[in-house]
Amino acid sequence: SQTIHQWPATLVQPVGSPLSLECTVEGTSNPNLYWYRQAAGRGLQLLFYSVGIGQISSEVPQNLSASRPQDRQFILSSKKLLLSDSGFYLCAWSVLPEQYFGPGTRLTVT
Amino acid sequence: AQSVTQLDSQVPVFEEAPVELRCNYSSSVSVYLFWYVQYPNQGLQLLLKYLSGSTLVKGINGFEAEFNKSQTSFHLRKPSVHISDTAEYFCAVSVGGATNKLIFGTGTLLAVQP
Repeated sequence: SQTIHQWPATLVQPVGSPLSLECTVEGTSNPNLYWYRQAAGRGLQLLFYSVGIGQISSEVPQNLSASRPQDRQFILSSKKLLLSDSGFYLCAWSVLPEQYFGPGTRLTVT
Repeated sequence: AQSVTQLDSQVPVFEEAPVELRCNYSSSVSVYLFWYVQYPNQGLQLLLKYLSGSTLVKGINGFEAEFNKSQTSFHLRKPSVHISDTAEYFCAVSVGGATNKLIFGTGTLLAVQP
């Protein structure tokens, strides 16, 4: 069966510091991968998606970036965090119409 | 462009009562429709999906939803809720294709009271 991992589970970072969140999927090949952000009390915002290694599409202009160095690995990064980057970050995978979500990373920028 | 509207931001209900969470979508093409549930500080879990065929779809935890093309709706129902059903529920639409992006509604908090 397929599983999706995200780490870290929680993170507290100061403004201006770098960020690296990692997502890995097991049990499937060549999935589509997605990064979402969920701000407090709000819905989900699609940040990036990838249909293959090295292929990244950005949905929202911002100071975040994404990379897919391996088929089942998806990384979300920032060189300098802003207060507005705080939120719950969710990774998802898909090989069928539905998407399956990871457990999420709670990021607090102070 | 596709969009999803969940009119109710919060639905309070007593335990063992029936509940309906409303979802309307907008799309000019055929869509796939989904309901997800999110418990506090967790990821989203797929409750059920409509891809094609029967308009009444059953999901996990006793939930079901009915696809109504003429009313562009996909309402979620449960005949008798439990305290453990308290969570945020998201409706989503996908137009499939290579990217398979989902458009989410803003969510409905189901608050089950004893």
